[in-house]
Amino acid sequence: DIQMTQSPSSLSASVGDRVTITCRASQSISKYLNWYQQKPGKAPKLLIYAASILQSGVPSRFSGSGSGTDFTLTVSSLQPEDFATYYCQQSFSTPIYTFGQGTKLEI
Amino acid sequence: EVQLLETGGGLIQPGGSLRLSCAVSGLTVSSNHMSWVRQAPGKGLEWVSFIYTDGNTHYADSVKGRFTGSRDDAKNTLFLQMNSLTPEDTAVYYCATVGGRDSYSYCDFWGQGTQVTVSS
Repeated sequence: DIQMTQSPSSLSASVGDRVTITCRASQSISKYLNWYQQKPGKAPKLLIYAASILQSGVPSRFSGSGSGTDFTLTVSSLQPEDFATYYCQQSFSTPIYTFGQGTKLEI
Repeated sequence: EVQLLETGGGLIQPGGSLRLSCAVSGLTVSSNHMSWVRQAPGKGLEWVSFIYTDGNTHYADSVKGRFTGSRDDAKNTLFLQMNSLTPEDTAVYYCATVGGRDSYSYCDFWGQGTQVTVSS
């Protein structure tokens, strides 16, 4: 099974900061990597698919990169509404999905 | 507008069964792959099951043999039958549509979730 490892597990930042979250796969997954944002008590929201393609309606301050085993999610200038938990997910082995353990972005 | 509404959660004793429903509007479940994802209290997301448009299903090892996914096309509703429940199955259960572009798939629309608590 493909394992997904995110780092860091938590991150403190301020409004206006540029932040980067990393996701590493236990084997090459090409660009089969999605990113989700989840706020407390809410369902996850798709941000990025295929490693770097922004889902419709997602602000352009979010970006994704990477291929193979190493991926990053970058928020170029944090806004108050961006404080949430972020998850990566591999879809290389669809229908068997795997999520990372999450990164909590805090003020 | 696509909307998913999960129902059927609740408090159940270990060894018991529950059937979750996910009523979908705004798209046709028979034309979309669908998935269930759960989240234990204070934990991360865990993929549970996947149902293809042709009805084939796949499950996480943690639920294989105990959970069964299905759908009712006439009701445009997805189901998750959960048997032999254990406290480790306590979680919020989400249903999600599986979108795709080229060969890439992702969960694009999600319900609000339904809480399942397994406890004596």
